[in-house]
Amino acid sequence: DTGVSQDPRHKITKRGQNVTFRCDPISEHNRLYWYRQTLGQGPEFLTYFQNEAQLEKSRLLSDRFSAERPKGSFSTLEIQRTEQGDSAMYLCASSLGGGELFFGEGSRLTVL
Amino acid sequence: AQTVTQSQPEMSVQEAETVTLSCTYDTSESDYYLFWYKQPPSRQMILVIRQEAYKQQNATENRFSVNFQKAAKSFSLKISDSQLGDAAMYFCAYRRIDNYGQNFVFGPGTRLSVLP
Repeated sequence: DTGVSQDPRHKITKRGQNVTFRCDPISEHNRLYWYRQTLGQGPEFLTYFQNEAQLEKSRLLSDRFSAERPKGSFSTLEIQRTEQGDSAMYLCASSLGGGELFFGEGSRLTVL
Repeated sequence: AQTVTQSQPEMSVQEAETVTLSCTYDTSESDYYLFWYKQPPSRQMILVIRQEAYKQQNATENRFSVNFQKAAKSFSLKISDSQLGDAAMYFCAYRRIDNYGQNFVFGPGTRLSVLP
């Protein structure tokens, strides 16, 4: 399977804990995006990378959120000191240049 | 900033019938792309159809077609001969023509149910 893969698919954590999500994009794609999606809403942009450079971050991304793409391949999204409001689906997508987005299946976060 | 509006939170259609999902957007740009993405329950989002704003001809992909009205900034999706597998959330998306920055904006989605 050469699509976008995300891990874990579902994470349940207690408030205050740290969580990390991983995204493996389509191999030849140089752009990688993170979106957040809450129930019944469309994806909200969080951040994106072009190769290893993080070029843009949304104002939604508080200082508790950090993302990396160390070698321009896979990416991680870490949320520190989770809050119940962080409960959402975290979507990763990749593209070649700024073209069509290819999405992963998402990582669902539940904060108790 | 560009915005995308989908005024129908939920729609339903009888199997084999036709349904139209609405989308409007706001932009000051003259050239851009528009997309419809489908998100089945618990599955990944996939592209259904795309439209380049400079093309006057409406895009078609098998049972899916769009009605692109540039002056009205409207981009509706028509699904013909609806099938049970069409049941999903449908998101309209706008993409700037340039390749700089985060260039996608998504609407809030329409949940489509297909009734047997």
